[in-house]
Amino acid sequence: AQTVTQSQPEMSVQEAETVTLSCTYDTSESNYYLFWYKQPPSRQMILVIRQEAYKQQNATENRFSVNFQKAAKSFSLKISDSQLGDTAMYFCAFRTNSGGSNYKLTFGKGTLLTVNP
Amino acid sequence: EPEVTQTPSHQVTQMGQEVILRCVPISNHLYFYWYRQILGQKVEFLVSFYNNEISEKSEIFDDQFSVERPDGSNFTLKIRSTKLEDSAMYFCASSARDRGLPGTDTQYFGPGTRLTVL
Repeated sequence: AQTVTQSQPEMSVQEAETVTLSCTYDTSESNYYLFWYKQPPSRQMILVIRQEAYKQQNATENRFSVNFQKAAKSFSLKISDSQLGDTAMYFCAFRTNSGGSNYKLTFGKGTLLTVNP
Repeated sequence: EPEVTQTPSHQVTQMGQEVILRCVPISNHLYFYWYRQILGQKVEFLVSFYNNEISEKSEIFDDQFSVERPDGSNFTLKIRSTKLEDSAMYFCASSARDRGLPGTDTQYFGPGTRLTVL
């Protein structure tokens, strides 16, 4: 079974600065996807960024980028130029891609990020 | 942009009552999921549904739970006899899983239904 660990329950950053959220995972598979989801106070789950394990290039979406280290099973999220609207709980999630129809997401416990003015 | 919708946004019920949570997945999606999140805890997988049948369920998804896709657009989660510990946010998600389409392995979540069992 896969596990996802987020070791930082809470973090804070000043507006306009950069912050990195950590995520590690454990799996015996080689083909999988990793995701970061954001959950603002409204509690809706919003996709931030995704990474396919077979791609060596780190995914980037505007101010959000990841550092994917497959051998270390590490998948950190970097938020540049932090904005007040980035304040949210951030969840790291794993999904196998090994075939069949079982594509459930396994989530970490989340990191609560607060962006301070 | 297409999105997953869920109704109601908040449901309050008495212990032992039946509840049905409704979801309308994105129209060309093939895989459907229910997750739950107890307040302050992580999101947990409940069940996945494909080709009109359950493809996987977690140990949480016991005989009190059932899912249905009654009319080709709605996807429902029924809890037959609610317990206090069923109080949680319930999220529906869907994904396309068509290799021809970009981003099709991504699950898109609805806004959630907050279930409160008294």
